[in-house]
Amino acid sequence: DAGITQSPRYKITETGRQVTLMCHQTWSHSYMFWYRQDLGHGLRLIYYSAAADITDKGEVPDGYVVSRSKTENFPLTLESATRSQTSVYFCASTGTEVSYEQYFGPGTRLTVT
Amino acid sequence: GEDVEQSLFLSVREGDSSVINCTYTDSSSTYLYWYKQEPGAGLQLLTYIFSNMDMKQDQRLTVLLNKKDKHLSLRIADTQTGDSAIYFCAEKRYSSASKIIFGSGTRLSIRP
Repeated sequence: DAGITQSPRYKITETGRQVTLMCHQTWSHSYMFWYRQDLGHGLRLIYYSAAADITDKGEVPDGYVVSRSKTENFPLTLESATRSQTSVYFCASTGTEVSYEQYFGPGTRLTVT
Repeated sequence: GEDVEQSLFLSVREGDSSVINCTYTDSSSTYLYWYKQEPGAGLQLLTYIFSNMDMKQDQRLTVLLNKKDKHLSLRIADTQTGDSAIYFCAEKRYSSASKIIFGSGTRLSIRP
């Protein structure tokens, strides 16, 4: 009964390295989202997915890649990390509630040195 | 998040009411939300209002919506130390499938 989980919770990596952030939800929600949170910018949408094998760009997709081979998983990959990608990353999902409420994971704090 | 605007900080005395304001730009918004983020955690939905309503009350929370001015507010009555958090205003637009646009968040701090 974990709901939506993210791993790792904290990550330090070097510029140029590839990093993958994991997101897993147990509700079989169709929609999943990746956001980054930076001071003064609130939450900005990176990518989202409407279903397995269907993904689309959000507001700030450059430098990121996503995949969705299974409904429950939505990994986010930074192909070549840059310092500007230092941020807190949140995964979210939404189901069939009329209100379209999004359920958020606990976040991954990523530092790129 | 530039289309949804909030002030960044609010300081309120314990026991007083807090009012957090938000403006949005899209008149096609169908749902408007208030999310709460406590330190080190993800966002949790506090309350939401459908665009054909102008007020919603839920215990200590009152949401007011002025569609003409595209203004949303959240009032927290009898503010407690546990209300310290960042509050995000968000909107769902008619055309945007399940995407939600978030504001920058208002950090509410409570002074004794």
